[in-house]
Amino acid sequence: SQQGEEDPQALSIQEGENATMNCSYKTSINNLQWYRQNSGRGLVHLILIRSNEREKHSGRLRVTLDTSKKSSSLLITASRAADTASYFCAKQGAQKLVFGQGTRLTINP
Amino acid sequence: NAGVTQTPKFQVLKTGQSMTLQCAQDMNHEYMSWYRQDPGMGLRLIHYSVGAGITDQGEVPNGYNVSRSTTEDFPLRLLSAAPSQTSVYFCASSLLQTGRDTIYFGEGSWLTVV
Repeated sequence: SQQGEEDPQALSIQEGENATMNCSYKTSINNLQWYRQNSGRGLVHLILIRSNEREKHSGRLRVTLDTSKKSSSLLITASRAADTASYFCAKQGAQKLVFGQGTRLTINP
Repeated sequence: NAGVTQTPKFQVLKTGQSMTLQCAQDMNHEYMSWYRQDPGMGLRLIHYSVGAGITDQGEVPNGYNVSRSTTEDFPLRLLSAAPSQTSVYFCASSLLQTGRDTIYFGEGSWLTVV
């Protein structure tokens, strides 16, 4: 079963705006990862955040993790057309890595 | 350094046919896995391997076989293709145990079973 959901399922914003995507999960995790998938391509790793971390940054990306609420968010600042893609969170718990259903982000010029 | 290479990119099969999706990585990763991705769903784990000679089932293993005779290769076999196996398949590898490190994905194999 899919552990956790992503919200929203789809997001459309204007270029230059910030985009926020959320990921929730149900059981405890060791870490959580965010991936990007361009249409027709494989997944590309963005950020890994461990359960004892609260925030990580990578360029225009900021990921937060709230273990008390069992949720994470991915913020993309100053969005660009090239950010148009699907974004997935993946939760690593006791055993395997479980992917969410993804958020489809569209950046309008 | 090619990373994770999957072949073929596209394949159409008739119901009942068998085929093998090839996956190779040149990063000397111990962990390799196969996922399927269906519309509106995330990736679901089919099979995985923690090293040469060791494989295990994932979330949706029925109808698929794997083997890991070398560190580099991890082929996925469809024994008797069914329309329900129409999907996009991704092979992935990582240095450490899956989820504890960055996972590198292949470009995907689009499979249609008619």
